[in-house]
Amino acid sequence: RKEVEQDPGPFNVPEGATVAFNCTYSNSASQSFFWYRQDCRKEPKLLMSVYSSGNEDGRFTAQLNRASQYISLLIRDSKLSDSATYLCVVINTGRRALTFGSGTRLQVQP
Amino acid sequence: ETGVTQSPTHLIKTRGQQVTLRCSSQSGHNTVSWYQQALGQGPQFIFQYYREEENGRGNFPPRFSGLQFPNYSSELNVNALELDDSALYLCASSLPLAGNTGELFFGEGSRLTVL
Repeated sequence: RKEVEQDPGPFNVPEGATVAFNCTYSNSASQSFFWYRQDCRKEPKLLMSVYSSGNEDGRFTAQLNRASQYISLLIRDSKLSDSATYLCVVINTGRRALTFGSGTRLQVQP
Repeated sequence: ETGVTQSPTHLIKTRGQQVTLRCSSQSGHNTVSWYQQALGQGPQFIFQYYREEENGRGNFPPRFSGLQFPNYSSELNVNALELDDSALYLCASSLPLAGNTGELFFGEGSRLTVL
């Protein structure tokens, strides 16, 4: 079983739609959580951190449920430029590395 | 742009050969991490270097080795290449506490094809 699991998609949505991605992690020692974005054939870039209290950055909302070991990302009013792969990332206590999920691909269509 | 540069951008090798990939970190960053990203997968941690010493290693065999130089640039060496080594190799630079902030700055990667 992978340490971080994501639905690979693709999620095909029209412009303006709201779309949600989920991610589960198996290691209860995971201490920090993030979403990264990766455009096709480009490098990953940090999108946002994820906190238990939930956090929002413009059209993006991230949420963490530690009890269920579940992370979510909500994108409202989707834009064509949101088309990318969204990678769920955790950091485990005592480790110096980021553990990535396989990513969820989003395609926003006109 | 992140300021992290990698070379070469693309290369083709055959099984059994050796390869060296290079990375220049972003100014002010003294920690470099290397990740392997196979097609359709997320990046997987290979190892991290801090102040010229290996500072953490993922589940990769010893034929994957690295160096960090005094100017914080780094090399990834892979010996006895196998077909499964075909992947995008990403270098990321950061400050030492990136383990808490999660903020890594990736280069565009070196795409290795092993035939």
